[in-house]
Amino acid sequence: DAGVTQSPTHLIKTRGQQVTLRCSPKSGHDTVSWYQQALGQGPQFIFQYYEEEERQRGNFPDRFSGHQFPNYSSELNVNALLLGDSALYLCASSVGSFTDTQYFGPGTRLTVL
Amino acid sequence: DAKTTQPPSMDCAEGRAANLPCNHSTISGNEYVYWYRQIHSQGPQYIIHGLKNNETNEMASLIITEDRKSSTLILPHATLRDTAVYYCIVRPPRGYGGSQGNLIFGKGTKLSVKP
Repeated sequence: DAGVTQSPTHLIKTRGQQVTLRCSPKSGHDTVSWYQQALGQGPQFIFQYYEEEERQRGNFPDRFSGHQFPNYSSELNVNALLLGDSALYLCASSVGSFTDTQYFGPGTRLTVL
Repeated sequence: DAKTTQPPSMDCAEGRAANLPCNHSTISGNEYVYWYRQIHSQGPQYIIHGLKNNETNEMASLIITEDRKSSTLILPHATLRDTAVYYCIVRPPRGYGGSQGNLIFGKGTKLSVKP
């Protein structure tokens, strides 16, 4: 049973560019949450997708957007990259709209130069 | 902001029990206590969670005080592979818009298991 997978593993971009990160949830899971983890900090919640809709959002600007597909996979898009967007981006999957344990993927390390 | 307080670091001898404390004095009656750990640069790994009763699984035990204002994660026989940052999280049962309660991470406790 495959766990949560994310791609790519590492990514280097320059300021002003746009980036798309991808997440495939654990088998049987239909909810995807995205987190940003800066160096030395705990993960910070970006947003959560369920039934192809953004259901909840953390304190992140509109440059951060996402999408969920009918197969429950998800994308995180970041526009107009800033140096401060350099971080580990984590995807977590779970089941349904009730509180359920979230299982994390390995993350995508984004470096903005 | 995180609703929990954890010591920034702890040491434990290999083979001994590791007891990681967490204070959550403002926890609400329907909020869960979750524990995750993160080994360097990997995604957080779920360990255990509870509401009121003590819980045990193959990884650890969770002891929640009767007033629910604090808890302790116990790794019964720590190994070198248990060296990681351990996060204690208070999680609401629901978010808004029909969503799940999200996870609010603090800085956690860096546990170092020494030979």
